[in-house]
Amino acid sequence: DADVTQTPRNRITKTGKRIMLECSQTKGHDRMYWYRQDPGLGLRLIYYSFDVKDINKGEISDGYSVSRQAQAKFSLSLESAIPNQTALYFCATSDLGGASGWGEQFFGPGTRLTVL
Amino acid sequence: RKEVEQDPGPFNVPEGATVAFNCTYSNSASQSFFWYRQDCRKEPKLLMSVYSSGNEDGRFTAQLNRASQYISLLIRDSKLSDSATYLCVVEGEGNTPLVFGKGTRLSVIA
Repeated sequence: DADVTQTPRNRITKTGKRIMLECSQTKGHDRMYWYRQDPGLGLRLIYYSFDVKDINKGEISDGYSVSRQAQAKFSLSLESAIPNQTALYFCATSDLGGASGWGEQFFGPGTRLTVL
Repeated sequence: RKEVEQDPGPFNVPEGATVAFNCTYSNSASQSFFWYRQDCRKEPKLLMSVYSSGNEDGRFTAQLNRASQYISLLIRDSKLSDSATYLCVVEGEGNTPLVFGKGTRLSVIA
């Protein structure tokens, strides 16, 4: 079984709808992340969480919210979806690691979201 | 300077060729450096960490140059299966998470 899972894998929705993307992990990591990826723009960080009580905005948090329901679960919500939120969304986890505490990140398989 | 910059490519090389990618970064205090590989429409996966002294894993060699603030990835004896996008990853500024470059696309041609 995959260590980091995302649901749904694909979603088509309409402008103005509320959407929730879910992420679960079995790696036991405290740190979790949400990214979006657009062609030519690379991976951009939306939100990240050090633990259940510690959530931080990333580079592009406007229009998004998150919830860390447990160490293993981190969900991303689009309160009112708009077409320019059409993208590939990845969840990732990491543990403390490396020389500075930022260790390898493990990614989920991604959610392809289309907002019409 | 942007936090992490890479040549987007594409690099089109024949099988068996040696190819090198460079990546420049702005955070002079960074202690964490990685190369990730991403296949089309798939999640990024760690290829290798980059250590100060340089490191090698089979056909792949990573180097770090702190003075010039760049890291490099060398792939020897390229295989068709090496075709992918290679992402340079560096610790963010001000104790923020890892920053991913936009990636360099490699196509190995038979």
